[in-house]
Amino acid sequence: NAGVTQTPKFQVLKTGQSMTLQCAQDMNHEYMSWYRQDPGMGLRLIHYSVGAGITDQGEVPNGYNVSRSTTEDFPLRLLSAAPSQTSVYFCASSITTWWTNNSPLHFGNGTRLTVT
Amino acid sequence: AQSVTQLGSHVSVSEGALVLLRCNYSSSVPPYLFWYVQYPNQGLQLLLKYTTGATLVKGINGFEAEFKKSETSFHLTKPSAHMSDAAEYFCAVSDPAYNFGNEKLTFGTGTRLTIIP
Repeated sequence: NAGVTQTPKFQVLKTGQSMTLQCAQDMNHEYMSWYRQDPGMGLRLIHYSVGAGITDQGEVPNGYNVSRSTTEDFPLRLLSAAPSQTSVYFCASSITTWWTNNSPLHFGNGTRLTVT
Repeated sequence: AQSVTQLGSHVSVSEGALVLLRCNYSSSVPPYLFWYVQYPNQGLQLLLKYTTGATLVKGINGFEAEFKKSETSFHLTKPSAHMSDAAEYFCAVSDPAYNFGNEKLTFGTGTRLTIIP
């Protein structure tokens, strides 16, 4: 199984540019999420989705947009990149049912984004 | 609101020595607690978790953690460190009643473990 696949691995953007970080999972997980990881700050939740067609904001959603048209894919869009968005971005998924909440998260290997 | 504090952003131990990584949490309800590990250039993976029942939880790679409600702690230990244990470790807490997926999972800031040969 591929698990959670993120592309690209590295990206450099100029301020004001837009781009989409791709995330796909082949485990039929309903729950998918995006985190950013910054030194000394741990992981912070950007957006999440509990199923196709359903998304919601996490702790730090400003400047990011998401959609969930299929169970497998959960892309993250940067609308107008800013230097403050320089970070490592992780996509994660998990099983979600009312009787299996808090299931372990499965992470991709991350996208390292630099905004100049 | 819940929170997690990991004491020590960097910990170094000699190969073969005891590993102790500290985690304290704040939660208004009995929490679920997790330890995740991140190896260089990879995503996080679950080491172990506490939900209910036995307070001493065993995980992968010889790690274990003990839930101590009176001390609001969930410290991670391993009796004998290996070079392959070098990684960053994250403690996380969730409110089981309001965490349908993992949207209420709060991570600590991480502890980087270095193993000295």
